[in-house]
Amino acid sequence: DGGITQSPKYLFRKEGQNVTLSCEQNLNHDAMYWYRQDPGQGLRLIYYSQIVNDFQKGDIAEGYSVSREKKESFPLTVTSAQKNPTAFYLCASKKGNSNQPQHFGDGTRLSIL
Amino acid sequence: GESVGLHLPTLSVQEGDNSIINCAYSNSASDYFIWYKQESGKGPQFIIDIRSNMDKRQGQRVTVLLNKTVKHLSLQIAATQPGDSAVYFCAENRWDNFNKFYFGSGTKLNVKP
Repeated sequence: DGGITQSPKYLFRKEGQNVTLSCEQNLNHDAMYWYRQDPGQGLRLIYYSQIVNDFQKGDIAEGYSVSREKKESFPLTVTSAQKNPTAFYLCASKKGNSNQPQHFGDGTRLSIL
Repeated sequence: GESVGLHLPTLSVQEGDNSIINCAYSNSASDYFIWYKQESGKGPQFIIDIRSNMDKRQGQRVTVLLNKTVKHLSLQIAATQPGDSAVYFCAENRWDNFNKFYFGSGTKLNVKP
């Protein structure tokens, strides 16, 4: 089945540690996104990538980094500079550069130890 | 489970009744709208979309209505079932940036058996 796979489902970070969240898609979608979801709030865009080897900052990029070395993969690193990393992180992808819906993975829940 | 759904507006309906969930948007440049369903601990699932050249679109048991005059979007679910219990939120996309989506915070739907 085609879809978006996020791993791990749960992740714990120690103070001062960088952690990387994985996102893989086999939908052959060009664009990929990372969002942060906090209780009672709408999704907030961290980074997005329209093509391989290119990505743009979203609204809350500080403390995060990404790479897009392959079309299928868009990992997100939560660095130690992100002081409030506890959240639900969602990866999405979209076909083409037109009005199309985003498709989401099942998320990674990140907590601080 | 996930804390998605805390502090959100809640709609409680009886099983078998129809549900109407509303969403307001503010930007006149928005021309594509999507409704998502999110169950606890999972990523958002696409339900239905509508483009600004339409007022109404129907799917299986769901109807989306778009009122561009008052910038209002609604999702109607017919014969609501317990499996419909989830958080529902809208997303808007603007003609000047196909890769940027703006998300509402959502409404929690509780279906009472």
